Amino acid sequence: KQEVTQIPAALSVPEGENLVLNCSFTDSAIYNLQWFRQDPGKGLTSLLLIQSSQREQTSGRLNASLDKSSGRSTLYIAASQPGDSATYLCAVRGSAAGNKLTFGGGTRVLVKP
Amino acid sequence: NAGVMQNPRHLVRRRGQEARLRCSPMKGHSHVYWYRQLPEEGLKFMVYLQKENIIDESGMPKERFSAEFPKEGPSILRIQQVVRGDSAAYFCASSASDTREAFFGQGTRLTVV
Repeated sequence: KQEVTQIPAALSVPEGENLVLNCSFTDSAIYNLQWFRQDPGKGLTSLLLIQSSQREQTSGRLNASLDKSSGRSTLYIAASQPGDSATYLCAVRGSAAGNKLTFGGGTRVLVKP
Repeated sequence: NAGVMQNPRHLVRRRGQEARLRCSPMKGHSHVYWYRQLPEEGLKFMVYLQKENIIDESGMPKERFSAEFPKEGPSILRIQQVVRGDSAAYFCASSASDTREAFFGQGTRLTVV
């Protein structure tokens, strides 16, 4: 059974600092890993998708790495802004879970101006 | 290309009534997933459907909950005889295949009074 863990559960940083969000998963037989952003009371916005064959993926200030063998992914957000305040969720898709997305509990981020 | 559309966005039901939540996947997507998010909790998988087929319903409560994805029209999540504990945000996601990127709708927030 696939289990996904995100640490820390909450993070508060001053504006301008880089953010590092961690995600670990127990079964390395995955097809891909997605990072999402969720604002309070809103839906999920897909940020980055990393295929199992990739080591990293970049979009603007966001960079996500994937180490499948150790079951870890890290999301880096450079030069954080107050608008980055949200909950960040990682989810893995793999055969161990019947190809559905399995989510971590999320990291709640607050960027203070 | 419109995103995943869920309606209604907000639904209030009295205990014992039925709730019907609708999800229209993105154009060209034939895979639909339903997730539930309780207040201050993570996203829990409920059911995975393809057109006219339930692929995985391991997360569905055994009673009162059902889901369908007919050949024509949206996917429907149906909750019969709602109870206060059913109050949650229900999210739908779609993807083009069981290994491709998933996109989420804005959710339906169900309140049972």
